[in-house]
Amino acid sequence: GQQVMQIPQYQHVQEGEDFTTYCNSSTTLSNIQWYKQRPGGHPVFLIQLVKSGEVKKQKRLTFQFGEAKKNSSLHITATQTTDVGTYFCAGEGGATNKLIFGTGTLLAVQP
Amino acid sequence: DAGVTQSPTHLIKTRGQQVTLRCSPKSGHDTVSWYQQALGQGPQFIFQYYEEEERQRGNFPDRFSGHQFPNYSSELNVNALLLGDSALYLCASSSTGTGRETQYFGPGTRLLVL
Repeated sequence: GQQVMQIPQYQHVQEGEDFTTYCNSSTTLSNIQWYKQRPGGHPVFLIQLVKSGEVKKQKRLTFQFGEAKKNSSLHITATQTTDVGTYFCAGEGGATNKLIFGTGTLLAVQP
Repeated sequence: DAGVTQSPTHLIKTRGQQVTLRCSPKSGHDTVSWYQQALGQGPQFIFQYYEEEERQRGNFPDRFSGHQFPNYSSELNVNALLLGDSALYLCASSSTGTGRETQYFGPGTRLLVL
C-alpha cells in the first residue's frame, strides 16, 4: 500500500537556526498537505500543494512539491520557540479525500 | 462558528468492552473522516463517511465501525477492545466538492484500554 515517510524523525535546533523536513511518498500524489501538531494537541492544517513543482510561502515557512509529485519539503527560516511541534505531511493518492499521513518530524527549539 | 467537536475528551475502558466516540463536523461540512493516532505516530486513516455511507476505509478490522447521521455528525464504534486500541482518535470534517477540500481536525478523544 501507499507509504509516506518523513526525515528526520527528530530535529533539535537553536532558536534562530533554520529547519527543513522532507517527505517522500511511494506513489504519485494528487496533492500534499502539511499539518502542525503541538504536544498534546491535534493536527492543524498549514497548507496544501497541488501542482507539480509548486512553491508556497507563509511568512517564515516555505513549502515545495516535487516535480514528480512524490516528494515535498517544509523549510522554516529563523526558527522560534513557537515553532515547536510535530510537522506532518499528508498525501492524497486518489480521487477520494483519503489522507495518508507521513511519519512526522518532531521539532524542538532551544531558546 | 464552531469548529469540529468531539466527545468525550478522555475515556478509560477495559479489554473486551465496547466504546462509542462522537464527532460533530464544522458548520457547512458534510464529510467526516476518522483517524487513529498512537503515541508518537502519525494519524492512521480508519474510514470516511459521506451521505451517511462509508465511502472509504483504511486497514482496520471490522471491530471498527461507524455511522453518519442526517445532520452529518458521526460516531465511531470499536468492539472487543484490545490494549493496542489505546490511542488518540481524531475526527476530521471536510466538504465534498472537488474532493480536495481542507480537512479540519477536532481535538480528539484519548482512549485508554486497560
